[in-house]
Amino acid sequence: AQSVTQLGSHVSVSEGALVLLRCNYSSSVPPYLFWYVQYPNQGLQLLLKYTSAATLVKGINGFEAEFKKSETSFHLTKPSAHMSDAAEYFCAVSHRLYGAQKLVFGQGTRLTINP
Amino acid sequence: DGGITQSPKYLFRKEGQNVTLSCEQNLNHDAMYWYRQDPGQGLRLIYYSQIVNDFQKGDIAEGYSVSREKKESFPLTVTSAQKNPTAFYLCASSISSGSASSYEQYFGPGTRLTVT
Repeated sequence: AQSVTQLGSHVSVSEGALVLLRCNYSSSVPPYLFWYVQYPNQGLQLLLKYTSAATLVKGINGFEAEFKKSETSFHLTKPSAHMSDAAEYFCAVSHRLYGAQKLVFGQGTRLTINP
Repeated sequence: DGGITQSPKYLFRKEGQNVTLSCEQNLNHDAMYWYRQDPGQGLRLIYYSQIVNDFQKGDIAEGYSVSREKKESFPLTVTSAQKNPTAFYLCASSISSGSASSYEQYFGPGTRLTVT
């Protein structure tokens, strides 16, 4: 079975500081991995995805993530936090299911940006 | 613009009543999904559908029902049998492929259901 663990339900950083959100996965097959962002009372928006090509994946809004098989990790980073980055972030692993795609989500990490 | 619409944004019901949440997409996606979101628990899959007239239970299907009569529509009914229905409900869709499923899911804006 596949699973995702996000370390830290709340992360707080200062504006301009490095953002690091941690995600570890468990999968018996090569995974597809995703990071989504959710603003209050809205749906989820895809930030980036890993699909077995380059291990360093760049996404929207200056975010990137590195797939590390040896560590079973897919941590999300951004060099310099902006106030608009305040949101909840979800890591997910993909599990193919009869042609559809079952996403298994982590519990989410709420990112707060301090001015 | 292509996308997913969910209506209404907020929904209030009395305990014991069934309620249907709407989800429509114009992305021409074959697969559609319903998730439930509770604080601190991430998203959990309720039902999914790969094609019209076919759907499968997800991890927490008890107390819910769905239909898929049209490709673009996937309504979710929260029945009175659902013991704790108050939650944020998200609909999503994706390309359905016979090959490796690296395609992302696109999400609607969600419906917040409150049952009292």
